[in-house]
Amino acid sequence: NAGVTQTPKFRVLKTGQSMTLLCAQDMNHEYMYWYRQDPGMGLRLIHYSVGEGTTAKGEVPDGYNVSRLKKQNFLLGLESAAPSQTSVYFCAISDRVRTEAFFGQGTRLTVV
Amino acid sequence: KNQVEQSPQSLIILEGKNCTLQCNYTVSPFSNLRWYKQDTGRGPVSLTIMTFSENTKSNGRYTATLDADTKQSSLHITASQLSDSASYICVLRGGSQGNLIFGKGTKLSVKP
Repeated sequence: NAGVTQTPKFRVLKTGQSMTLLCAQDMNHEYMYWYRQDPGMGLRLIHYSVGEGTTAKGEVPDGYNVSRLKKQNFLLGLESAAPSQTSVYFCAISDRVRTEAFFGQGTRLTVV
Repeated sequence: KNQVEQSPQSLIILEGKNCTLQCNYTVSPFSNLRWYKQDTGRGPVSLTIMTFSENTKSNGRYTATLDADTKQSSLHITASQLSDSASYICVLRGGSQGNLIFGKGTKLSVKP
């Protein structure tokens, strides 16, 4: 997980609260991704970014917003948290050419 | 339809036995295909990479194969160990923006 840092690691929210997850990288990679992973399930892409100032929707974007104002940071926002958003969130980065992605350690979010 | 399909979804084998995991893809990839291993609660970590000029590549007890004509890859694990229990994910780069595309993974459980 070197080079990709997610904050916070754990969070409990009440329904309707908002929060922002931060993904920070020091590898100067262009691509950044946010995934969620529910118990026993595969990764599902929420949003991704191919460069500073650009974002795109993934497979499950509803209820989330993202921003990439700086190349090294990719923020994931939940405006009004719902219990269905209880999950583990992973940030990943990759460069333009290789298929190798580097993942953060994950953020475990519980919405009650 | 998912661009990267993996099978089986889950698999249970006894320690010491061999197994083969499958990855079929429809996306026209830019460069290469990579297999990842994801331990429970951790982010995925790269296991092996296949370029499209390669048919077979081994990494210890792991052997990956690739048939670019049929768009199929497999990961063969020999003499399984308890520590092989994890999810195995197939990844390609593709799509309109060249982003990484992850399969849903195969969850492997190795029992003593």
